[in-house]
Amino acid sequence: NAGVTQTPKFQVLKTGQSMTLQCAQDMNHEYMSWYRQDPGMGLRLIHYSVGAGITDQGEVPNGYNVSRSTTEDFPLRLLSAAPSQTSVYFCASSLRVGGPGELFFGEGSRLTVL
Amino acid sequence: DAKTTQPNSMESNEEEPVHLPCNHSTISGTDYIHWYRQLPSQGPEYVIHGLTSNVNNRMASLAIAEDRKSSTLILHRATLRDAAVYYCILRSGATNKLIFGTGTLLAVQP
Repeated sequence: NAGVTQTPKFQVLKTGQSMTLQCAQDMNHEYMSWYRQDPGMGLRLIHYSVGAGITDQGEVPNGYNVSRSTTEDFPLRLLSAAPSQTSVYFCASSLRVGGPGELFFGEGSRLTVL
Repeated sequence: DAKTTQPNSMESNEEEPVHLPCNHSTISGTDYIHWYRQLPSQGPEYVIHGLTSNVNNRMASLAIAEDRKSSTLILHRATLRDAAVYYCILRSGATNKLIFGTGTLLAVQP
């Protein structure tokens, strides 16, 4: 059981480049979300989804796009990378919307923007 | 979104119990109290959650105040592997949003 899989694990970009961080889960989870974590800080919610075709903004959505075309996948797109987006990104999912819902996290993707 | 307040850091000795406090005075009736921990260079890991009653699992216990405005995560016997940042979070039962605070850095001394 793979759980939540994030790719790539490491990425270096130049300012202005675009890229997509991939997130996939094989647990048939309804809820998926993206967080970023800057050094020495807690996690901040970027975007989340409560099911295929439904996405919503979190605390820090600017500069990021998401889509949820399937239950399994929830990619995060950086449209024009900026140094302020240098961070570690975590994808997380939970089984269903509503209720307590333990959140399962991926191992993280470390992004550096030069 | 309701917020939580935790001490920035705590220390414990190995083999001793640890009580990690959390204040959440603006909690709403549908908010679940979640605890996660994050080991260095890893993603957060679920520890425990509760709504109104105290909860126990193999990792820890969660004690919830009667008015639900505070809670305490209890590690019964701290080990060196328990050294981590512990996050107390309120999860909306309606939206599933889970907003992290800055957490408590727990140091465990041998």
